[in-house]
Amino acid sequence: DTEVTQTPKHLVMGMTNKKSLKCEQHMGHRAMYWYKQKAKKPPELMFVYSYEKLSINESVPSRFSPECPNSSLLNLHLHALQPEDSALYLCASSQAWEGGIEQFFGPGTRLTVL
Amino acid sequence: GQQLNQSPQSMFIQEGEDVSMNCTSSSIFNTWLWYKQDPGEGPVLLIALYKAGELTSNGRLTAQFGITRKDSFLNISASIPSDVGIYFCAGLSRGAGSYQLTFGKGTKLSVIP
Repeated sequence: DTEVTQTPKHLVMGMTNKKSLKCEQHMGHRAMYWYKQKAKKPPELMFVYSYEKLSINESVPSRFSPECPNSSLLNLHLHALQPEDSALYLCASSQAWEGGIEQFFGPGTRLTVL
Repeated sequence: GQQLNQSPQSMFIQEGEDVSMNCTSSSIFNTWLWYKQDPGEGPVLLIALYKAGELTSNGRLTAQFGITRKDSFLNISASIPSDVGIYFCAGLSRGAGSYQLTFGKGTKLSVIP
């Protein structure tokens, strides 16, 4: 199983809403990532979790709050977003150190902020 | 920071033609990855390269890791309509407890039937 799943597929929210994006993998990977991707651009790294601990925060605004409840799940909590936050949000996972080091991506959540 | 220069930015080719795209970097990477992304979907890993000079094939795809470890190319032979999409190169570097990807800006491939 080399699948990373993400829910929801699409999300429309207002600037005062609170919502969450969810990501799940069952490959035994101990590193999980959130990326933001704008149209016609490459993915941009937001957060990295390694062994369920936040290891990298690429200066992301606090209106984005990541959470890693266990080794298979990764959430991204959204609050008071701006229209410019509309993008495709991608989750990925990989081995943290040993073994394969490729990152496998989920299908993404298309977020629209009104 | 690290930057990857990917070219060409876009390509229009006839079905059946071969395609070549490449990435160069100002920094050394120990691993190069090539991904394909369809509209509205996540990137799908095509090929991973781990050693300088390595040449790896995956069906009609062939990729090479440059000797200097600062470049890589991807070739697609006998293109078909489903090859349409955006191809990203990515260099992998090792951080604290994880690996980080630096992406190229992508090559948009269009195949004319």
